[in-house]
Amino acid sequence: KNEVEQSPQNLTAQEGEFITINCSYSVGISALHWLQQHPGGGIVSLFMLSSGKKKHGRLIATINIQEKHSSLHITASHPRDSAVYICAVRSGANSKLTFGKGITLSVRP
Amino acid sequence: DAGVIQSPRHEVTEMGQEVTLRCKPISGHNSLFWYRQTMMRGLELLIYFNNNVPIDDSGMPEDRFSAKMPNASFSTLKIQPSEPRDSAVYFCASSPTRESEAFFGQGTRLTVV
Repeated sequence: KNEVEQSPQNLTAQEGEFITINCSYSVGISALHWLQQHPGGGIVSLFMLSSGKKKHGRLIATINIQEKHSSLHITASHPRDSAVYICAVRSGANSKLTFGKGITLSVRP
Repeated sequence: DAGVIQSPRHEVTEMGQEVTLRCKPISGHNSLFWYRQTMMRGLELLIYFNNNVPIDDSGMPEDRFSAKMPNASFSTLKIQPSEPRDSAVYFCASSPTRESEAFFGQGTRLTVV
């Protein structure tokens, strides 16, 4: 079993829809990251959180430490949100990052 | 700041050749990371440096891979000899501290034929 599991694997949505992407992990962590990778390949850090909730524009990230689960929500989705969304957890003495496989989101106009 | 700069953006080389990937981190960042991304395995940490010192190289696949950080503004990842299974996108990232958010370079797409 991978330490970081993301679901669903692929997701297609219609423009304007509310989207939720999930991430579950099996180890104790000090922080969780959400990353976005566009078709061109560049990776951008969206959020880093260790508790509660963070909001940036139309994006909201939540984490439940007890349940070892995080969600990334996109409100009023837009085709430009189409990308791969990767969850990563930081754990261990060396604060090593372990990545999920990523979820491919496609938002249709 | 121009962000993390990687070179080259693309590299095609023949099996057995030496390959050197380069990275310039964001000025003032103390941590630098090398990652590899493949379709099969996703993103994997290869090695990271803190204050130019290698802290964790457990992700380096084998002795053919080596990484150096001679100063705070430059790092290299070398593969010698290269093999087709090394084909991947290699990302360099830096962060102010090793617990901070990381800023990624655009990556180097390596193809070994």
